[in-house]
Amino acid sequence: QSALTQPASVSGSPGQSITISCTGTSSDVGSYNLVSWYQQHPGKAPKLMIYEVSKRPSGVSNRFSGSKSGNTASLTISGLQAEDEADYYCCSYAGSSTYVVFGGGTKLTVL
Amino acid sequence: QVQLQESGPGLVKPSGTLSLTCAVSGGSISSSNWWSWVRQPPGKGLEWIGEIYHSGSTNYNPSLKSRVTISVDKSKNQFSLKLSSVTAADTAVYYCARTDIVATLDVWGKGTTVTVSS
Repeated sequence: QSALTQPASVSGSPGQSITISCTGTSSDVGSYNLVSWYQQHPGKAPKLMIYEVSKRPSGVSNRFSGSKSGNTASLTISGLQAEDEADYYCCSYAGSSTYVVFGGGTKLTVL
Repeated sequence: QVQLQESGPGLVKPSGTLSLTCAVSGGSISSSNWWSWVRQPPGKGLEWIGEIYHSGSTNYNPSLKSRVTISVDKSKNQFSLKLSSVTAADTAVYYCARTDIVATLDVWGKGTTVTVSS
């Protein structure tokens, strides 16, 4: 069982927006603005999409955005495109004992 | 730009030790970054294993800490993972990655598959 809870799957049609939630606790997501999101296509390595809750690395489309409220972080993808179909993982710093935890992953299907 | 490449045996016997190396190219392992290992069992999610700084300082996943050793070789610009007493549950794709900011893995290797089987 993963430390952070994500929905197993979400879906949306091209052009629509979707949001993936990532629920942690006051020991991880709730305490630190150190949440990142990764996109993983089948058979490929994960790719960093969002870091520090809402920052985008250079080269990542501005259709991807992140936010946080309390113990829950969210990834929103607007203007869905076929190539967005992938697995998405959230990740958070969890303090000096546990350190880094991942969510269980969410499979995004573009209908 | 920095690139990472994992290498090591693809098959390890139960109760043995898994050993992998991550070669860093296009940059120095002595930069102000930590260097991490992450694994992904077949059909499952990502699991953070641990990380190392070029000074040798390490942080480990508490659930694996008793079996994990991560080391760095600055002369070869690489870092390594050893996981002891392996079982079938350790079968996974193992990735090495660069940690930019805490919990931010910004560069990843392609991954290497390790199967634990007799």
